[in-house]
Amino acid sequence: AQSVTQLGSHVSVSEGALVLLRCNYSSSVPPYLFWYVQYPNQGLQLLLKYTTGATLVKGINGFEAEFKKSETSFHLTKPSAHMSDAAEYFCAVKNSGGYQKVTFGTGTKLQVIP
Amino acid sequence: DTGVSQNPRHKITKRGQNVTFRCDPISEHNRLYWYRQTLGQGPEFLTYFQNEAQLEKSRLLSDRFSAERPKGSFSTLEIQRTEQGDSAMYLCASSSRGGPSTDTQYFGPGTRLTVL
Repeated sequence: AQSVTQLGSHVSVSEGALVLLRCNYSSSVPPYLFWYVQYPNQGLQLLLKYTTGATLVKGINGFEAEFKKSETSFHLTKPSAHMSDAAEYFCAVKNSGGYQKVTFGTGTKLQVIP
Repeated sequence: DTGVSQNPRHKITKRGQNVTFRCDPISEHNRLYWYRQTLGQGPEFLTYFQNEAQLEKSRLLSDRFSAERPKGSFSTLEIQRTEQGDSAMYLCASSSRGGPSTDTQYFGPGTRLTVL
């Protein structure tokens, strides 16, 4: 079984401030982990993913995330928020075996205050 | 690469009617997925195809739901005898098997279903 918990359904940051969106996962096998962003009335766009190898993963738009196995976490960060970062962010997990099912968290809406 | 496309983008129907949605994946992708997303929630997995074979199905996919991918290209999702609880965004995604983008699912814009 696999699951994802995103702490904080809404996060507000000032423009230029650090963005930190939290994600904890549960998986019975080594996980593949993803962060997606969704703008209103649009599909999901992949920001970054972790499969194997380096635990610090860099993605698009200046975002990065670090896989911490001991903490079962995959938090998303960006040093300086832009107004265009306002969107909903989803953390997701897939097991590294043959099953293709991806389990998503409930999402975190990021508000950027000018 | 034209991305994943879904039609229609919006569908309003009356309770009890049947509806069908179409998904066209990225052309070289052999894997296709359907998800349902309700307001305030993340997408929930419904089903997965590899080529034309439906390999995984969620318990969410009741007997009123059926998905097909007859030639391993586009896919359709049909909901029979719609209920108000079926109102949601239905998302399609595709991925390739092998290569650097394996395990990365690319999503379409979704079909928003409203059941009156």
